[in-house]
Amino acid sequence: GQNIDQPTEMTATEGAIVQINCTYQTSGFNGLFWYQQHAGEAPTFLSYNVLDGLEEKGRFSSFLSRSKGYSYLLLKELQMKDSASYLCADMDSNYQLIWGAGTKLIIKP
Amino acid sequence: KAGVTQTPRYLIKTRGQQVTLSCSPISGHRSVSWYQQTPGQGLQFLFEYFSETQRNKGNFPGRFSGRQFSNSRSEMNVSTLELGDSALYLCASSRDVNYGYTFGSGTRLTVV
Repeated sequence: GQNIDQPTEMTATEGAIVQINCTYQTSGFNGLFWYQQHAGEAPTFLSYNVLDGLEEKGRFSSFLSRSKGYSYLLLKELQMKDSASYLCADMDSNYQLIWGAGTKLIIKP
Repeated sequence: KAGVTQTPRYLIKTRGQQVTLSCSPISGHRSVSWYQQTPGQGLQFLFEYFSETQRNKGNFPGRFSGRQFSNSRSEMNVSTLELGDSALYLCASSRDVNYGYTFGSGTRLTVV
């Protein structure tokens, strides 16, 4: 079967660090994507992991463990503008993206 | 570099009508995917086209159809609209499967 799980909502404080987890169970695997979506806007690409390990891009990092079917998105030095939904998507053996329902991240001053 | 363009941005239709949505991908992108997004449901995959061929299809009824033209522009059609079809319809383009997908701003369809 195909299933993507991520928390529905998280709250963090401006300037802090937050980790958003994502687990997947997919028949076949061709990579794990993270997207950011602000309310009323289209999703924007953040990261793509196909190999195990940590990929760092400025304040955002993404980690993948294929053996555990697990990924996380790490956001450092949180800013108010980081308040958004974060979508995890797994690409299956047919190169189709399977999306999680998204994690709504609320940043408080 | 122009992004993914979707038209129209907003649309109001009556139950039973049909609707056609348009998507122009980024120049050079041959893959176009369509998604339906509703509150609390996340992104639901409709279909993906690559070089004018439907490569993948999601679990939507046959009322939902699409096509891709030789210039990679894509259209999505929904016939016999139902109230439950009210949603944000997003189009995303990519050079190919292993590259990030770029989304358009979407078409917000309201069925009354």
